[in-house]
Amino acid sequence: QKEVEQNSGPLSVPEGAIASLNCTYSDRVSQSFFWYRQYSGKSPELIMSIYSNGDKEDGRFTAQLNKASQYVSLLIRDSQPSDSATYLCAVRAGGTSYGKLTFGQGTILTVHP
Amino acid sequence: GAGVSQSPSNKVTEKGKDVELRCDPISGHTALYWYRQSLGQGLEFLIYFQGNSAPDKSGLPSDRFSAERTGGSVSTLTIQRTQQEDSAVYLCASSSPRTIETQYFGPGTRLLVL
Repeated sequence: QKEVEQNSGPLSVPEGAIASLNCTYSDRVSQSFFWYRQYSGKSPELIMSIYSNGDKEDGRFTAQLNKASQYVSLLIRDSQPSDSATYLCAVRAGGTSYGKLTFGQGTILTVHP
Repeated sequence: GAGVSQSPSNKVTEKGKDVELRCDPISGHTALYWYRQSLGQGLEFLIYFQGNSAPDKSGLPSDRFSAERTGGSVSTLTIQRTQQEDSAVYLCASSSPRTIETQYFGPGTRLLVL
């Protein structure tokens, strides 16, 4: 079992819809959770971090964390074509150094007009 | 200031040769990270430097891989006796002491081993 798994893509949604990206992790003592966006041929950029159970909202983005279910998700409301990218889930496990993030394989999102 | 810079942007080498990849972090960032990303894959952690502490090398895939960080700034990732499976994009990131878990990535070095 992979340490961090993301829902298989690619995911295609129409403009204006809600895109839902999911991620599960295997280490129960994981501490910190991140969503990165990576445009084709570019480097990843951090868009959301979440540390506590529940929802965290930032503009059109909402991250949801459920530690009991070992599940973290990212919702993108009012999806725009500019949101088309690969979304990477990353987890920092408990007991590891701050630098050691484990990434999922990514989910490709396409928002079509 | 400038972001994280990496050089070269592209490197083609022959199997068995050694390569050096360079990373210049954002000024003032004490933490520096190396990852690699193979085609269609997520990022694989390689090594992490934080200030003067011993680096976390737990992600280095073999003893052919090594990294140094001189003067707490520039880092060099060295791959000895390169193999075709080393072909990937090597990404460097850095973060500041105040927001240690917010990593800023460089543009990467695309390595192709023939």
